[in-house]
Amino acid sequence: DAKTTQPPSMDCAEGRAANLPCNHSTISGNEYVYWYRQIHSQGPQYIIHGLKNNETNEMASLIITEDRKSSTLILPHATLRDTAVYYCIVGGYQKVTFGTGTKLQVIP
Amino acid sequence: GAGVSQTPSNKVTEKGKYVELRCDPISGHTALYWYRQSLGQGPEFLIYFQGTGAADDSGLPNDRFFAVRPEGSVSTLKIQRTERGDSAVYLCASSTQGVPDTQYFGPGTRLTVL
Repeated sequence: DAKTTQPPSMDCAEGRAANLPCNHSTISGNEYVYWYRQIHSQGPQYIIHGLKNNETNEMASLIITEDRKSSTLILPHATLRDTAVYYCIVGGYQKVTFGTGTKLQVIP
Repeated sequence: GAGVSQTPSNKVTEKGKYVELRCDPISGHTALYWYRQSLGQGPEFLIYFQGTGAADDSGLPNDRFFAVRPEGSVSTLKIQRTERGDSAVYLCASSTQGVPDTQYFGPGTRLTVL
């Protein structure tokens, strides 16, 4: 699986959009971009995935650059419950290789 | 519907003892995964089952660790002669093994080896 690079931490004001970046410059053509998050003391939770096109679901939007070397997860209106560690992963087949993720702190 | 469940939620044991950790996957999920997570780190892959067989056990750290899934549903992770370094949260996930493959995680078992 390709390696990803994420900032270790970010802050976001409650109600504002949270934009979490991820670099995956070595991604191969058939690898998906996945995002999971882990709220304190819970197991990771799937958020969204994409291959080439931008994706949106009830939780978030995923913007993938045309060259697929980076992506951004967008939480449109962050709430305090969105405070978590967010993991960007590429591959998504069989075992998942997690990095250390981005710790997002949503501030009241 | 029911998600992935893991028991016990917490396990405290003494160095050298044997422990078993149980995972009940989502009904109908053919793939099952075990991960280990140390404090401040992301989950680390241990083993992956496709049905009853271990398709990839490359993440098991040594031969003290063993996992089974005899009927293709419930899985048990077994750790022999536990060491203090085995203390971690052990996570289980399951999936339908589709393409792409979305994994659904349980809450984990926190193992503490004294």
